Amino acid sequence: GQNIDQPTEMTATEGAIVQINCTYQTSGFNGLFWYQQHAGEAPTFLSYNVLDGLEEKGRFSSFLSRSKGYSYLLLKELQMKDSASYLCAVRDPSRGYSSASKIIFGSGTRLSIRP
Amino acid sequence: DTAVSQTPKYLVTQMGNDKSIKCEQNLGHDTMYWYKQDSKKFLKIMFSYNNKELIINETVPNRFSPKSPDKAHLNLHINSLELGDSAVYFCASSQDLLAGAPDTQYFGPGTRLTVL
Repeated sequence: GQNIDQPTEMTATEGAIVQINCTYQTSGFNGLFWYQQHAGEAPTFLSYNVLDGLEEKGRFSSFLSRSKGYSYLLLKELQMKDSASYLCAVRDPSRGYSSASKIIFGSGTRLSIRP
Repeated sequence: DTAVSQTPKYLVTQMGNDKSIKCEQNLGHDTMYWYKQDSKKFLKIMFSYNNKELIINETVPNRFSPKSPDKAHLNLHINSLELGDSAVYFCASSQDLLAGAPDTQYFGPGTRLTVL
């Protein structure tokens, strides 16, 4: 089967650091995405990992361990505008064409930032 | 310039009606998608078209019929609407996966469908 697990909700304080974990079990793997979705808006791309290790992009970093089926999104220097849902998504090439194989989304982690 | 646009943004209709949602992308992407996001916020793929050809068709009732007149447009027609169809429907597009470049999906603003 296919499964992507993320915590449903998290709360953090402005200025702090938060780590959002994602574990996945899929038939195949060819990349992991993190998207941000503010309430009532469309998801927007944050990061992409296909090889093991850490990808850093400003205040946001994403880590991948393929052997463990695990990723995390690290947000530093939290701001109130970071309050949103964060969606982990895995590309599983076994489920379609190589270039447009199905990307499976987790249910998202709703992050609330308090002052 | 809006990259991926959808109309309408809100759609309220009665059970049994037929409705359409339109999507257009001006990014020159080859692949377009329809997703359904329910009240639990799961984003589930429904259809995917690559250069006007249907390539992913999830287990979706055949009341849902996508149509791609050209690679910049992917419309979704829904017949005999049911209460359970109430959700937010997102259109998205992506470029084909290239070496070193992820096929990032760009989402439209969503269409909130409410079936009464």
